[in-house]
Amino acid sequence: ETGVTQTPRHLVMGMTNKKSLKCEQHLGHNAMYWYKQSAKKPLELMFVYNFKEQTENNSVPSRFSPECPNSSHLFLHLHTLQPEDSALYLCASSPQLGRSRLNEQFFGPGTRLTVL
Amino acid sequence: AQSVTQLDSHVSVSEGTPVLLRCNYSSSYSPSLFWYVQHPNKGLQLLLKYTSAATLVKGINGFEAEFKKSETSFHLTKPSAHMSDAAEYFCVVSEGTGRRALTFGSGTRLQVQP
Repeated sequence: ETGVTQTPRHLVMGMTNKKSLKCEQHLGHNAMYWYKQSAKKPLELMFVYNFKEQTENNSVPSRFSPECPNSSHLFLHLHTLQPEDSALYLCASSPQLGRSRLNEQFFGPGTRLTVL
Repeated sequence: AQSVTQLDSHVSVSEGTPVLLRCNYSSSYSPSLFWYVQHPNKGLQLLLKYTSAATLVKGINGFEAEFKKSETSFHLTKPSAHMSDAAEYFCVVSEGTGRRALTFGSGTRLQVQP
């Protein structure tokens, strides 16, 4: 596997379910990101991790819970979601934060989430 | 603070004609600038990046962009559009300071007519 992978690629869940999205990067990067992409809205940054530490939570509701056990893996735990949370969830990684030449982000293919 | 404005939400061109996607940025520092492309139901792919070297940057698939500091612009161009270029394009700015790292524009959807 190369680059950034995300599983599952598609997920349908009810509002009472609990599920998790997984992201894995094989690039040796130290920063990882979750984005939400809804139809007809700009890309929304949700969470940022740098060297496994969360550095940004962009006012995301608590029904989204991220986890970064190491620099290669990032999870997004979901529970009691709402239909408006249906979107494409994108994971990205970059070498590290704070140095502009190293800020290029590499994206995974995304998980298409539908909340019924 | 940094921001980026993509001046057109939709652009439509005929196959074989030039492409121009416009982007203006605002930054308190010397920024890095990127263009990403997203094909339907896919993740974002880096097209090209500017990091204070040459102001004319060449990317993949025949795209290029010119950094113009006086105009705070970073427009994306291609001499001849191909059907496979139909996608959404995002202009992105990074100051490299602080925690946010990248700020994305709202995107421009490019349609290519046969």
